[in-house]
Amino acid sequence: ETGVTQSPTHLIKTRGQQVTLRCSSQSGHNTVSWYQQALGQGPQFIFQYYREEENGRGNFPPRFSGLQFPNYSSELNVNALELDDSALYLCASSLAGRGSNTEAFFGQGTRHTVV
Amino acid sequence: AQSVSQHNHHVILSEAASLELGCNYSYGGTVNLFWYVQYPGQHLQLLLKYFSGDPLVKGIKGFEAEFIKSKFSFNLRKPSVQWSDTAEYFCAVNALGFGNEKLTFGTGTRLTIIP
Repeated sequence: ETGVTQSPTHLIKTRGQQVTLRCSSQSGHNTVSWYQQALGQGPQFIFQYYREEENGRGNFPPRFSGLQFPNYSSELNVNALELDDSALYLCASSLAGRGSNTEAFFGQGTRHTVV
Repeated sequence: AQSVSQHNHHVILSEAASLELGCNYSYGGTVNLFWYVQYPGQHLQLLLKYFSGDPLVKGIKGFEAEFIKSKFSFNLRKPSVQWSDTAEYFCAVNALGFGNEKLTFGTGTRLTIIP
C-alpha cells in the first residue's frame, strides 16, 4: 500500500454530466498529480498541484479542473463529460520542491465510465 | 516535449527465461527515469529509478535497468522471470527543468509468464 487513497473506486456517469474524483495524499506529501489512463495506454499527465497551486498542466481542455486543499488532498473535476473521458484516473503524491528529484506514489485509481 | 517509446507491446516468456524490455526516450536535457509495474487490479508500483550516478540501477524483485545516455535508453532486465512477474510494465521519464515532477509514460509492455 502506498498511503494514497482515491474515491470512488468505480463510477458511471452520463455524457454531459459533471464528475468529481477525490484523492488523499500520503502523509507528509505536498504535491499531487493527476493522470488519465485510457485502456491499453500509459498514464497521461493532466495536471499537478503543489502547495494548493497548479504547477503544470498537460494537454487537457479547461473542462478538466482541480483543487488542492490545505491538508494536501485533492479533487479532479470534469465538466461536460464525453465518452472519451472513460478511463482509469490515477492520483500520485510526492514530497517535492519545484524541480527536485522525487518519487511519486500512486493510488489504485478511479475507474470512470461515461455512457 | 519529451516522449517515451516502449517497442514491445506484449511479451510472452516461460518461467526462468531472461527478460529485457526496451525503453527509449526523447529529450536532450537532464532526466530522471523510472520503471513502474502494474499487477492486475493493483496500483502502479515503482520498480526502480535513476536520478544520477551509477547507470546500472537495481530495483525490487530482482529487476535492474541500465541507463545509456548516448542511446537515450533505459532498458529493464531480469535474469530469470517468475509466473508472478505477469503484469504491465511502464517506463517513465521526468524531464528536469520544467519546475514540476510531471511523468511522461510509455504505452506499456504487457508481460505474460507461462508456468
